[in-house]
Amino acid sequence: AQKITQTQPGMFVQEKEAVTLDCTYDTSDQSYGLFWYKQPSSGEMIFLIYQGSYDEQNATEGRYSLNFQKARKSANLVISASQLGDSAMYFCAMRETSSGSARQLTFGSGTQLTVLP
Amino acid sequence: NAGVTQTPKFRVLKTGQSMTLLCAQDMNHEYMYWYRQDPGMGLRLIHYSVGEGTTAKGEVPDGYNVSRLKKQNFLLGLESAAPSQTSVYFCASSLTGGSNQPQHFGDGTRLSIL
Repeated sequence: AQKITQTQPGMFVQEKEAVTLDCTYDTSDQSYGLFWYKQPSSGEMIFLIYQGSYDEQNATEGRYSLNFQKARKSANLVISASQLGDSAMYFCAMRETSSGSARQLTFGSGTQLTVLP
Repeated sequence: NAGVTQTPKFRVLKTGQSMTLLCAQDMNHEYMYWYRQDPGMGLRLIHYSVGEGTTAKGEVPDGYNVSRLKKQNFLLGLESAAPSQTSVYFCASSLTGGSNQPQHFGDGTRLSIL
């Protein structure tokens, strides 16, 4: 089973509107972290936002917020007031405490967001 | 603020050639990682290190070797390059292995094997 599932290969949003990028995850750990990264066409991976499994409040960072629904195992990224510069690939990722000594990030396949002028 | 720096940014190799990718971080992070990114497959872990002098295999280690002689540097080597190793390679680091620690990535190395 996929550990991180992003079901939207591509999304379009009008400039200045809000958009939600979906992410569901699968883990049996009690303690884990969920992350969103942005990858613009230039290729670098930019860390956006983090949500801990024990956090009761949804994480927010500027125009980014994470809609965390633990029982449904979903961690959707919400971008408010979209800007043209938000056009990029967005990856959801998870870091589990049970992933052995590596503690690596497990990534979803990504969602390509295009912001329309 | 350098963060994680990868060199080179681009490289073209012929099958059978060898090369080394260098990753340097200036954040005093303990954990370092090498991932490869292929179309439609997300990032996959090649090798990782939990501290100076330590290395371990990740999900797709075959054909690669690594070394971490200094805490700030993590080298990825291809001994005999194959076309299947054409990919974008990312180095990442994190302060610890805690699940609340983000990994910080370099800008990537685009490697083509002819």
